[in-house]
Amino acid sequence: DAKTTQPTSMDCAEGRAANLPCNHSTISGNEYVYWYRQIHSQGPQYIIHGLKNNETNEMASLIITEDRKSSTLILPHATLRDTAVYYCIVRLYMTTDSWGKLQFGAGTQVVVTP
Amino acid sequence: DAGVIQSPRHEVTEMGQEVTLRCKPISGHDYLFWYRQTMMRGLELLIYFNNNVPIDDSGMPEDRFSAKMPNASFSTLKIQPSEPRDSAVYFCASRAQGTNEKLFFGSGTQLSVL
Repeated sequence: DAKTTQPTSMDCAEGRAANLPCNHSTISGNEYVYWYRQIHSQGPQYIIHGLKNNETNEMASLIITEDRKSSTLILPHATLRDTAVYYCIVRLYMTTDSWGKLQFGAGTQVVVTP
Repeated sequence: DAGVIQSPRHEVTEMGQEVTLRCKPISGHDYLFWYRQTMMRGLELLIYFNNNVPIDDSGMPEDRFSAKMPNASFSTLKIQPSEPRDSAVYFCASRAQGTNEKLFFGSGTQLSVL
């Protein structure tokens, strides 16, 4: 699986959009980008995933560059409850030999301030 | 749905004692995963099951660790004998067949081995 690079930490003002970057320059054509987050003292929570098209759901939007070497997770209106570690993971989709072997890196600690 | 249920929430034991962690996956989910999280190593996949059968246990640190899934609604992770370096948060996660990598995590078991 391709390696990802994320900033160690970032701050965001409550009510503003939070834009979380992720670099995955070695991504291959059949690898998806997944985002999870982990709020303190809780298990990781799935946010969104995509291949090459931009994706949006009730939690966030995912913008993947045309060359697929980087992506941005957008939390449109950050709240205090969005304070968490955000993980960007690149993963082959539904490989038969290692389903579910998501490898979590260090992630980005996002702090939303009032 | 109650989500993935883990017990106990906290466990404190002495070195050399046997520890058993329990997990109830979401009903209908075919895959079950055990992860361990420490400050030094982050989130590590220990083992995962598909339809109650262990598929990949390459992440299990050593023979002191064992995991079972006697039926679709219950799994255990056992450490015998426990050591201080096993202190960590242990997460159980599950997912349904064909739902990409959308894992649902439990709240974890905080294990402290003194």
